[in-house]
Amino acid sequence: AQSVTQPDIHITVSEGASLELRCNYSYGATPYLFWYVQSPGQGLQLLLKYFSGDTLVQGIKGFEAEFKRSQSSFNLRKPSVHWSDAAEYFCAVGHYVGNMLTFGGGTRLMVKP
Amino acid sequence: EPEVTQTPSHQVTQMGQEVILRCVPISNHLYFYWYRQILGQKVEFLVSFYNNEISEKSEIFDDQFSVERPDGSNFTLKIRSTKLEDSAMYFCASSEDRGNTIYFGEGSWLTVV
Repeated sequence: AQSVTQPDIHITVSEGASLELRCNYSYGATPYLFWYVQSPGQGLQLLLKYFSGDTLVQGIKGFEAEFKRSQSSFNLRKPSVHWSDAAEYFCAVGHYVGNMLTFGGGTRLMVKP
Repeated sequence: EPEVTQTPSHQVTQMGQEVILRCVPISNHLYFYWYRQILGQKVEFLVSFYNNEISEKSEIFDDQFSVERPDGSNFTLKIRSTKLEDSAMYFCASSEDRGNTIYFGEGSWLTVV
């Protein structure tokens, strides 16, 4: 069965600092991978996705993620964090046959001024 | 940009009552979904719907749940007899096809008292 692990439940970074959120997945075939962001009381907004091709994908709001098959990882990065990036971030793996997503537990990002 | 819309944004209901959550998926999308997120827990898949029938459902989606597409635009989730543990944020989502990006609505908060 597919699964997603986000090892960091909470992360605090200073505004302007770089950010990396970890995501590890378990999936039997080539995965479809996603990062979503959820601001307090809001829905899930898609940041970026990996289906195939270039393993470094660019997303909205200056985020990028790199798919590393050998490490079963899809870490999210941003070179310089803004206060507005404070939110919860979810990594998810897609299941083509059933087209459903399995989510990780989320990482809550706090940004210090 | 097209978006998935959900109503109501919040609902409080008494245990044992029936609840209907409504969604308008993105207009050219063919696959529709419901997910839920119990406070502090992972986002969980409930059901996917295609061509007017359920294509996949999780163990959570038991007999008290049902989905329907009553007309050309709405997609509903009915909970027949609500329990306290049904309190959660319910997300509707849609995708153009299998294997495509899944877009989420802003969610409907359901509180069962």
